[in-house]
Parts: sequence; structure tokens; C-alpha cells
Amino acid sequence: AAGVIQSPRHLIKEKRETATLKCYPIPRHDTVYWYQQGPGQDPQFLISFYEKMQSDKGSIPDRFSAQQFSDYHSELNMSSLELGDSALYFCASSLRTRANEQFFGPGTRLTVL
Amino acid sequence: SQQGEEDPQALSIQEGENATMNCSYKTSINNLQWYRQNSGRGLVHLILIRSNEREKHSGRLRVTLDTSKKSSSLLITASRAADTASYFCATDSISGNKLVFGAGTILRVKS
Repeated sequence: AAGVIQSPRHLIKEKRETATLKCYPIPRHDTVYWYQQGPGQDPQFLISFYEKMQSDKGSIPDRFSAQQFSDYHSELNMSSLELGDSALYFCASSLRTRANEQFFGPGTRLTVL
Repeated sequence: SQQGEEDPQALSIQEGENATMNCSYKTSINNLQWYRQNSGRGLVHLILIRSNEREKHSGRLRVTLDTSKKSSSLLITASRAADTASYFCATDSISGNKLVFGAGTILRVKS
């Protein structure tokens, strides 16, 4: 079965650079969630989208923005990168009506040097 | 962790033994789920228990939920070396759909 696809899988950036992470949800899933997991930490919710509209917001820095497109894929844009942004970024998708059943992608490992 | 603590933080057992991990949470929930994560990799969904359920089984996994104590436990029976991973509980609240994760337990199963 198709799973959540994230790209790139690994990304290395310098401080103050920008990064864009992409997420392709499971077909027919209409809701996308982004989570950030720092080294040795638990995943923290950043933001979610349903039908291209932001549906919930967590601890997402102002330097980050995200959007969901008409094909339901989502992009997380990160600017003015800081060392502390180094983390594993997960995308998850679900049906809106079954939001508790979130399927996670493999994650994008971002390293900021 | 935003949600609560997992207990223990780390657990080392011999293959064949049972492993029990506990999770506490702070808010009212709809469901509680357990995930496994191999080192630095993706989150694998293990089992979901609804707030009106007290116990659930799936293969070698047994999950309990005590909403009065806001706690859950995950029991892995007859552990295998391949069970070595971090285990997280996650809750989704009545007020929203985001998952809130516990701090995780690192399980090491020695062969």
C-alpha cells in the first residue's frame, strides 16, 4: 500500500539559509500534519492542514511557514535556519474523519551547520 | 515532553522476557496510541486504544488504559532483539486532532 512520501530524506543547510520540505500524503487522505523531533526528544506538533486551510497550529516558529496544495501535498518552508532547527521532520496524513489514525512518513533529517 | 512522562526512560532486558512501559498524560483524550521508532527513523504505529476501552491486544502487544489515572501501559511479551527501539505513546485530545507525544522509552533487548 502507498505510504506517506517525504522529500528530501536528508538535507544539510548552513545557518541563515532556507529549506523546503515536501510531503505527499497517502492517496485520498485530505489532512496533513507536520511534526518536529529534535535529537533525543519526542515529536512535537508544528502545524496541520485540511483542504488547503490551516486546521491547527502548534509550536511552529514564525520563521517557518507551510501550505497544502490542491493535490493535498504539503510543503514546510523554513527560513533563517538556526542550529537548533536540526531535527527530524515528520509529515503524517489522515482522513479528516479519522484524524486519530495518522500515518507517518519516514521523515526528513535536517542538519543545520 | 508536552504531554507527560514515560516510565522507564530506558529499559534493558533479555530476549524472551516481557517488557512493560508506562505513559502518563495530562489532558482528556479521545484515543491513546503507541508508536515504535527505530534509531532516528520513522514512527511505526503499533496500536490504538480508545478512551472508552480499558485493554487491547495485538499479537505480542497488550495495552491498558486507565483514564481515571491518565495513564497507559504497553506490554511486549516474549521480547525479541528486533523489538529494540524507542516506544512513544501519543494522545489526541477532545479539542483537536494533533497528536501529543510522551517522552519515550528506549527499549534494548539483548540476545
